[in-house]
Amino acid sequence: GNSVTQMEGPVTLSEEAFLTINCTYTATGYPSLFWYVQYPGEGLQLLLKATKADDKGSNKGFEATYRKETTSFHLEKGSVQVSDSAVYFCALIRYSSASKIIFGSGTRLSIRP
Amino acid sequence: GAGVSQSPSNKVTEKGKDVELRCDPISGHTALYWYRQSLGQGLEFLIYFQGNSAPDKSGLPSDRFSAERTGGSVSTLTIQRTQQEDSAVYLCASSRAGGHDGELFFGEGSRLTVL
Repeated sequence: GNSVTQMEGPVTLSEEAFLTINCTYTATGYPSLFWYVQYPGEGLQLLLKATKADDKGSNKGFEATYRKETTSFHLEKGSVQVSDSAVYFCALIRYSSASKIIFGSGTRLSIRP
Repeated sequence: GAGVSQSPSNKVTEKGKDVELRCDPISGHTALYWYRQSLGQGLEFLIYFQGNSAPDKSGLPSDRFSAERTGGSVSTLTIQRTQQEDSAVYLCASSRAGGHDGELFFGEGSRLTVL
């Protein structure tokens, strides 16, 4: 079946460090891929998405590239800020009449000033 | 507001009692999801409604859990004979057109504590 695997947290970095959160997926066909973010005390919200191979999603300085050859969608940011501290969820959806979005287990990110 | 609304925001109950959690999705959204998020854990899928199709109940953890969606809008998640392990934040999300564009809009959740 379809599934998403992300690196376990927590991840702790210093401000301005480079961030990578790994995400790999298993799916038949051609899923769309997403990163959601949950800031402390807030609900989940969509951060970025990519709908086909080689697409790059980007938002708020974060980027992720849909790599079909490695079935990956790693999240990256060149210089993190304290305000990026949150839980990040990788997710996928396959287009079908009754598809549902599938989430990874989440990665908690903490940024030290 | 125009977002997904969940109630109650907090519920404390005694073991063995029944609870109902309500979700008001964004108007016009045909898909509705319930997830559970336990402390320090990821999102556990519970149930998915899409239009008039039969719901996907594959994530419900036991027959004490049930959900319905009336008139294609409001949904209620019912937990019967609550147990301490049911303590978690229950999240509702809705989306357009079955979520095919993948953008789910989440409510802020209902925090359930079973004593």
